[in-house]
Amino acid sequence: QQQVKQSPQSLIVQKGGISIINCAYENTAFDYFPWYQQFPGKGPALLIAIRPDVSEKKEGRFTISFNKSAKQFSLHIMDSQPGDSATYFCAASSVLKTSYDKVIFGPGTSLSVIP
Amino acid sequence: AAGVIQSPRHLIKEKRETATLKCYPIPRHDTVYWYQQGPGQDPQFLISFYEKMQSDKGSIPDRFSAQQFSDYHSELNMSSLELGDSALYFCASSLVAGELFFGEGSRLTVL
Repeated sequence: QQQVKQSPQSLIVQKGGISIINCAYENTAFDYFPWYQQFPGKGPALLIAIRPDVSEKKEGRFTISFNKSAKQFSLHIMDSQPGDSATYFCAASSVLKTSYDKVIFGPGTSLSVIP
Repeated sequence: AAGVIQSPRHLIKEKRETATLKCYPIPRHDTVYWYQQGPGQDPQFLISFYEKMQSDKGSIPDRFSAQQFSDYHSELNMSSLELGDSALYFCASSLVAGELFFGEGSRLTVL
């Protein structure tokens, strides 16, 4: 059972467009929601993260929107560039060093930004 | 900046053989995680260590074991290898819960 759901599975966006990836979770013990970016043959790299006490966090072209009541969060990539082409994983964790302190990954979204 | 170091980067083994993967976390990071990633799959949590003690266990087969040593490096031991064990194995370390820093991974191929 996937604890973190993610959609779409794949996404093709024109250069300069907005890429949007959506995620949802069930476990209310999760209180930390990172996004990871992974290029082929490389390890996942932490991109941006949010805690549920804020509804939005922006870092450069990347924005996380968080809806605590709906238990949903999303990643928006503005002005998408070919270099953004990668697999993106949403994830969930707990910052309280409990049994949930491991990061649980969503199934991933393969993003292709075409020129 | 120092990153998570994993070795070997590539490993080819026969069925029923044994393999050992090593991980050197970022200095001062107190938690080490092991993940397994199959082709086109998301990373699956195997096991973690906090201050050299096992802190959590995920979908790790009984044939696998891991430990963290006094110098904080960790080893993942895999025995009786099966074809299905072929995957990328990532080690990650963290100091802040949830902020995992991953290594480049070890690609295990079982023939």
